[in-house]
Amino acid sequence: GQQVMQIPQYQHVQEGEDFTTYCNSSTTLSNIQWYKQRPGGHPVFLIQLVKSGEVKKQKRLTFQFGEAKKNSSLHITATQTTDVGTYFCAGSSNDYKLSFGAGTTVTVRA
Amino acid sequence: SAVISQKPSRDICQRGTSLTIQCQVDSQVTMMFWYRQQPGQSLTLIATANQGSEATYESGFVIDKFPISRPNLTFSTLTVSNMSPEDSSIYLCSVLGENQPQHFGDGTRLSIL
Repeated sequence: GQQVMQIPQYQHVQEGEDFTTYCNSSTTLSNIQWYKQRPGGHPVFLIQLVKSGEVKKQKRLTFQFGEAKKNSSLHITATQTTDVGTYFCAGSSNDYKLSFGAGTTVTVRA
Repeated sequence: SAVISQKPSRDICQRGTSLTIQCQVDSQVTMMFWYRQQPGQSLTLIATANQGSEATYESGFVIDKFPISRPNLTFSTLTVSNMSPEDSSIYLCSVLGENQPQHFGDGTRLSIL
């Protein structure tokens, strides 16, 4: 089955700085989704990318889906303490099942 | 998006016992799934809950250990059977509606002593 690799596993960020987390799939995906899980919480849906080369923005978050639909990235600008948590990418083929990346756990230094 | 109610939210169980987790959705959904998140790990799909028929299990998960029911389009249960400490995890149900992305319930935090 498909495997989704996500890096980095940990990201320690100074408040106000930018960072990016990356996902790569072993197979072509039909779509990719991003979730955020706060400590003690459950994964909360952020965005879904479907089209090759798609770019979507949510305030300070920018999501990209690669041209080959095998990779994706999440870029956060001007990191805030509210950005703390673990960000997961999850790829799906045509069967709707999600394969999750390992997650990037973000901590912020004030 | 659909409102997903999962219970219990947490439990502490004795080894060798079984626990049934319920997932209720406030609207009909196309698909329901069960995931496991072991401590400090990512989410792993256990099975797809099929309405009115046997669930479809992923590699490494079997019906005897994780029996699943889905009697209708809005409700599913996952039972963790004959529990051992290695089953200590968060168990999450997720739902997929028509033209909707997958959303997760709050999860059940399970500890086995």
